[in-house]
Amino acid sequence: RKEVEQDPGPFNVPEGATVAFNCTYSNSASQSFFWYRQDCRKEPKLLMSVYSSGNEDGRFTAQLNRASQYISLLIRDSKLSDSATYLCVVNAGGTSYGKLTFGQGTILTVHP
Amino acid sequence: EAGVVQSPRYKIIEKKQPVAFWCNPISGHNTLYWYRQNLGQGPELLIRYENEEAVDDSQLPKDRFSAERLKGVDSTLKIQPAELGDSAVYLCASSYQRSGRATYEQYFGPGTRLTVT
Repeated sequence: RKEVEQDPGPFNVPEGATVAFNCTYSNSASQSFFWYRQDCRKEPKLLMSVYSSGNEDGRFTAQLNRASQYISLLIRDSKLSDSATYLCVVNAGGTSYGKLTFGQGTILTVHP
Repeated sequence: EAGVVQSPRYKIIEKKQPVAFWCNPISGHNTLYWYRQNLGQGPELLIRYENEEAVDDSQLPKDRFSAERLKGVDSTLKIQPAELGDSAVYLCASSYQRSGRATYEQYFGPGTRLTVT
């Protein structure tokens, strides 16, 4: 089983749609969680951290369920500029505190 | 503020040839990472440095890959000899890491796209 698993998609949605991505992780000792965004042929960039209480940043909402070991990202009112690959990222903690493990990414295409 | 700098951006070599990648992290960042990203996959860690020390190189194929970070700033990743399966994007990232604390944001460079023919 992979340490971090995501549905690779692709997700094709019209502008204005709401879309949700899920991610599961295998290491119950994982301490911190993130969503990164990667545009085509570009480097990954941090989109948002994910907190246990859930957090929101504009149209983006992230949720963490430690009991079930899954993380979600909700995008409301999708824009064309949201088209990208969304990477679920987990930090193991403990002796691996500096190591981030990336999922394979979920491809999102927003069309007019 | 300047970001993470990598060079070259693209490299095409024949198999069995050597290749080297260079990375200059963001000023003040003590931790540097090398990742490999295959098409359709997320980045996979190859090696992580805290200052000059390689604290995690468990994923580095040591028979052909080597890395160094002299003086705790710039870093070089080398492959010798390259194989067809090494074709990928090699990403460098940096962060400011407090010892024993969970990692927060890592800043990535643009990557080097390697093609081995």
